[in-house]
Amino acid sequence: DIQLTQSPSFLSASVGDRVTITCRASQGISTDLAWYQQKPGKAPKLLIYAASTLQSAVPSRFSGSGSGTEFTLTIGSLQPEDFATYYCHHFNNFPLTFGGGTKVEIK
Amino acid sequence: QVQLVQSGAEVKKPGASVKVSCKASGYTFSSYYLHWVRQAPGQGLEWMGVIDPSGDSTIYAQKFQGRVTMTRDTSTSTVYMELNSLRSEDTAVYYCARGVVRGLIANWFDPWGQGTLLTVSS
Repeated sequence: DIQLTQSPSFLSASVGDRVTITCRASQGISTDLAWYQQKPGKAPKLLIYAASTLQSAVPSRFSGSGSGTEFTLTIGSLQPEDFATYYCHHFNNFPLTFGGGTKVEIK
Repeated sequence: QVQLVQSGAEVKKPGASVKVSCKASGYTFSSYYLHWVRQAPGQGLEWMGVIDPSGDSTIYAQKFQGRVTMTRDTSTSTVYMELNSLRSEDTAVYYCARGVVRGLIANWFDPWGQGTLLTVSS
């Protein structure tokens, strides 16, 4: 199984900060990676797919990059509504797996 | 719009079974694979398996092999996830989610259902 390791697992940031979250895969997965945002009590929401393609209607302050085993999600200027937990997800082969999550909290 | 609506919360005793439904609307049901993902309280996301609504074929995560069954009813555009031999560790929110790319089985997910809370307790 492909393991996805996210870092950090928790970060504290202020509105306006630039935030970067990393996701490392235990083996190469090309660009078969997606990012989701989840708020408490809600289902995850797709932000980025194919490592760097922004989902429709997602603000452009979100961006993704990477290929192979290392990927990043960047929030260019953190907004109040961005405080949430973020998950990476690979779909390279079965079983599909998710990273452990990164919780972004207000400093 | 594309929508997945799941059945309501369940409370079950250890050893029992549960069957959660996920009704799809707003698209051609048979054209997109449907996945099940669960999330234990305060924990991350765990993929359980996928069903092909057009042919009823399934792939399950090894962890759930022998305990989970995914089925579909094309007449109502509904998929079901049945989990047997429940234990307290199965307490979680269960989500269905649609694969985005038509006909692609290993896929990213959008949209997701609203989630169904399963509580397993004696």
